[in-house]
Parts: sequence; C-alpha cells; structure tokens
Amino acid sequence: DTEVTQTPKHLVMGMTNKKSLKCEQHMGHRAMYWYKQKAKKPPELMFVYSYEKLSINESVPSRFSPECPNSSLLNLHLHALQPEDSALYLCASSQDQLAGRYEQFFGPGTRLTVL
Amino acid sequence: GQQVMQIPQYQHVQEGEDFTTYCNSSTTLSNIQWYKQRPGGHPVFLIQLVKSGEVKKQKRLTFQFGEAKKNSSLHITATQTTDVGTYFCAGPSNAGGTSYGKLTFGQGTILTVHP
Repeated sequence: DTEVTQTPKHLVMGMTNKKSLKCEQHMGHRAMYWYKQKAKKPPELMFVYSYEKLSINESVPSRFSPECPNSSLLNLHLHALQPEDSALYLCASSQDQLAGRYEQFFGPGTRLTVL
Repeated sequence: GQQVMQIPQYQHVQEGEDFTTYCNSSTTLSNIQWYKQRPGGHPVFLIQLVKSGEVKKQKRLTFQFGEAKKNSSLHITATQTTDVGTYFCAGPSNAGGTSYGKLTFGQGTILTVHP
C-alpha cells in the first residue's frame, strides 16, 4: 500500500468553528508532513513529525495545531481560522525525515474554505 | 536562506513539441527531486538525482543534474496531452551543512499542451 489518505476531501468552515483534518499512511514511514498550497503556488511546509515527535514548525500561527497520535496518523486541528487560510492542505510522508534522501508521498489533500 | 528558482513559470506548447523546465539553487544541493502535479491533483514524485552531472530518463522525460549540483532540468520530448500539469523541482534545505529535514520547492512550471 503506497497511499496516503486524507479526510475530508472538502471542508467549509466559519471563522469560529473548530475542525480537524486527518491523514493516514500504512507504508511504515517515520516522517509525516503538513503542507499548505495556494493556487498556482508550490506546497508550503507547515509542520514535520519525525518518529511521532514534532521536529519542524515553520512559524505557523497557533490557530493550526498538529497532532501525531501514532506512527500512521497525523491530524491538523483548526480553530478560529481566517479567510486567507483557505487553501489546499496536503499531507505527505517519507521513509525518514532526512530531507531529500527519500521521496515524499502526498495525499490527495483537503480543500479548505474559510468563510 | 536557500532559494530554488524555476523557469519558466508558464509554458504553452502544441502537442508533439518539446518542453524544458529549469531549476537553479542558490546553494549546492546534495540531491534534487522532481514532482508533477496534475490539475486538481496532488504532487507525485517523479525522480531523484544525486550525482554531479547525472542524467536519468523515464520514457520521454530526461532529467539532468548540473556538474556543480546547483541546477537541474527536466526535458519532455514530443509532449502529449497527458503531460499537462505543474512540474516542481525540490531540493533539501541546508544550513551550515546540516539538513533541516525539509524540502524547498521551486515555484513550478505550469505546462499546457494544445492538441
């Protein structure tokens, strides 16, 4: 199984809502990533988890809260988002965190709209 | 910080024409990866180049890594409509020779193929 799954596919939320994005992989990968992607732009790294520990936080606002319950799951909790946070949120995984050493497998993404 | 520049931003070709996208890094890269993202899709890993001057081929796609390991290119021979999408190069972020576990993506080249 070389697939990263993400739920939901689409999400519309108000600025006062709390929601969560979920990501799962069963490839035994020890590094998992959250990216944000705006239209016609490259993926922008938000967080990296390595061996279930947060290793990189790219100065992301606290309204985004990542969580890694186990080696296969990654969540992104959302609270009090702004309309400019509307984007495609991509989850990815790789064998290890050593950047560039291993390909990253991306999930299909969650298309988030904040009203 | 490290920058990865990619040109052109857009490329429109007639089916059957060739296409090339170029990637230049401000620092020497240990390796470089290429990803393709179809419209409405997610990035999919194409290839990784590691050695100075390396050339790899995948059917009609030819990937090169420069001798100085600061630039790379992707060339598609005789484009087909299935080649449509955005092509990203990505290199590991390094500071003081230490890998920080993240990829820096180029801005991407959006390829349109007219039948």
